[in-house]
Amino acid sequence: TQLLEQSPQFLSIQEGENLTVYCNSSSVFSSLQWYRQEPGEGPVLLVTVVTGGEVKKLKRLTFQFGDARKDSSLHITAAQPGDTGLYLCAAFGNEKLTFGTGTRLTIIP
Amino acid sequence: DTEVTQTPKHLVMGMTNKKSLKCEQHMGHRAMYWYKQKAKKPPELMFVYSYEKLSINESVPSRFSPECPNSSLLNLHLHALQPEDSALYLCASSRGFGGAGETQYFGPGTRLLVL
Repeated sequence: TQLLEQSPQFLSIQEGENLTVYCNSSSVFSSLQWYRQEPGEGPVLLVTVVTGGEVKKLKRLTFQFGDARKDSSLHITAAQPGDTGLYLCAAFGNEKLTFGTGTRLTIIP
Repeated sequence: DTEVTQTPKHLVMGMTNKKSLKCEQHMGHRAMYWYKQKAKKPPELMFVYSYEKLSINESVPSRFSPECPNSSLLNLHLHALQPEDSALYLCASSRGFGGAGETQYFGPGTRLLVL
């Protein structure tokens, strides 16, 4: 079973600050996804990264896939209250999607 | 339409009750999933249906019984649940099954409380 460890587990910062969330594993992945889940809702896919070293930008969010395809990071610039939520990395293995341990992010206005 | 709908949104049931959760998608997806999410934890896969056939059962207790009547509908029948089964039950669908990078679309979930 793949284990995806996310850090930090909880993060609470002021609006306007920058932050980085990490997703690490000892396994190599063919691809990795990031989801955001808001209270009372299901996870929503933000991005899929497939190439080692790949960087994808989605407005203020920057996603990076490690060169060895074992880890990934999510960087948010100038965080806004609307960024509040549970951020989950996820990877495919054995025909199923396994989620990381999650990072609960709170942006304080 | 990229929506997966789930009913009911909330459900409270006793340990002797029988109830069903419903999930529906009209995106033409051929894979559908049930996940269980406990508070402050990530979703955990329970079942996968591919082309209306059960493909994966993650050793889920028999008190949970999935059913896929057609390609758009997925049910989860509940019977004799335990309080520890209280959780958010998420349904998801994807165009295909098993492909790395396949996008899964999640419903809003049913929040279940077992008393």
